Amino acid sequence: EAQVTQNPRYLITVTGKKLTVTCSQNMNHEYMSWYRQDPGLGLRQIYYSMNVEVTDKGDVPEGYKVSRKEKRNFPLILESPSPNQTSLYFCASSLAGWGANYGYTFGSGTRLTVV
Amino acid sequence: KNQVEQSPQSLIILEGKNCTLQCNYTVSPFSNLRWYKQDTGRGPVSLTIMTFSENTKSNGRYTATLDADTKQSSLHITASQLSDSASYICVVSAYGGSQGNLIFGKGTKLSVKP
Repeated sequence: EAQVTQNPRYLITVTGKKLTVTCSQNMNHEYMSWYRQDPGLGLRQIYYSMNVEVTDKGDVPEGYKVSRKEKRNFPLILESPSPNQTSLYFCASSLAGWGANYGYTFGSGTRLTVV
Repeated sequence: KNQVEQSPQSLIILEGKNCTLQCNYTVSPFSNLRWYKQDTGRGPVSLTIMTFSENTKSNGRYTATLDADTKQSSLHITASQLSDSASYICVVSAYGGSQGNLIFGKGTKLSVKP
C-alpha cells in the first residue's frame, strides 16, 4: 500500500531532550515536507526537500533540523525541544514539488507534547 | 503576500443536506488549487486538484469549482453524510518562489448532525 509512515504517533518529552520523528514513504517520491498544525493557525511548513541531499527552510524552521540521505526517509530532528514546539506534526510526500499537479500524500501525524 | 482565506470557519448542517465551502486566494502566479479533507487528528486527504484551465472537478459527492479571474473556489458537498464531518482545507500552489511550499487556508470545520 502506498503510504507515508510517521513514528511515533504520540510523544511526550521534556524540555531539552533531543528527539527524532521519523518519516518514510514507499512511493519513490522526489519531494518530502514537514508541517506543524496548531489550533487557529492551520498547517505551516517547517522544512522541505526537493530530492536527496537537497533540503530547504519553510515558514517556521527555527528549532528544527532535517536530513535527506535517502529518497524514502526524511526525519525531523528537535535538538532541544521547548514547550512552544508542542504541536501536531505531519510529513508529506509528492512525486514532484510545487507547481506540479501531483497529489500530496500525508502521514497520519505525530502529536508531540513538550513539558 | 500570498494568502488563502476560507469561509465559514465552521458550519453545522443536518445529514442529507447540501453545503458549500468558500476559498478566496491571492496567490500569484497561480499553479493549482487543491481541496483536502482532514479528519480530526489525522493527515489531510486529497479530494481534488484543479489547474488554471479547469473550472469544475468532481470526486463523488464533492464538487469543486474554480474561478481564476476572481480567484475564488468553492467545494460543494451533496447529500451530506455523518462521515463528512471533518475540516476541509483549501491549498493553493504558486509557480516560482524560493520556497517549494503550498499555501494553506486555515480550513472550514464541518459538522454533520443526524
